[in-house]
Amino acid sequence: DIQMTQSPSSLSASVGDRVTFTCRASQSISRYLNWYQQKPGKAPKLLIYSASSLQSGVPSRFSGSGSGTDFTLTISSLQPEDFATYYCQQSYNTRTFGQGTKLEIK
Amino acid sequence: EVQLLESGGGLVQPGGSLRLSCAASGFTFSSYAMNWVRQAPGKGLDWVSAISGSGSTTYYADSVKGRFTISRDNSKNTLYLQMNSLRAEDTAVYYCAKVPFEWLLPDDAFDIWGQGTMVTVSS
Repeated sequence: DIQMTQSPSSLSASVGDRVTFTCRASQSISRYLNWYQQKPGKAPKLLIYSASSLQSGVPSRFSGSGSGTDFTLTISSLQPEDFATYYCQQSYNTRTFGQGTKLEIK
Repeated sequence: EVQLLESGGGLVQPGGSLRLSCAASGFTFSSYAMNWVRQAPGKGLDWVSAISGSGSTTYYADSVKGRFTISRDNSKNTLYLQMNSLRAEDTAVYYCAKVPFEWLLPDDAFDIWGQGTMVTVSS
């Protein structure tokens, strides 16, 4: 099975900051990598698919990049509603998620 | 409005069985593959199973293979997950999630999620 490792496990930042999340796959997954946002008690929400494509309705401050084994999700200017947990997920082979990165208010 | 609504969760003893349902609306259900994803309390997301739009092809995580069965009734726009031989480690919120293709493909993603249903396995 392909293992997905996210770093850091938690991150503190302030409104207006630029933040970057990292996700690493245990083997090459080409660009088959998706990013989700989850708020407490809610279902996850798709943000980015195929490594860098913005899902419809998602603000343009979210962007994704990477290929092979290393991927990043960037929020260019944090908004209050962005404080949540972020998960990466590979779709190259069955489906596996990273363990998540919790974004907290500094 | 595209919507998924899970039901059927509850408290069950170890070794018991439960069937979850996911009612879909707002889209042509038979045209899309569907998935079950779970989340144990305080933990991350864990993909469980998937089924093609026609129901002809199914996929399972190793942790549930042989115990869980995914199925769908396209005439009722409903997805199911039959869970047998339940264990404490199956305790989780179970979400159904749609992908934008009829088949599970490498470039798909879980684009629509239900609100989840809680399954607790405990004596």
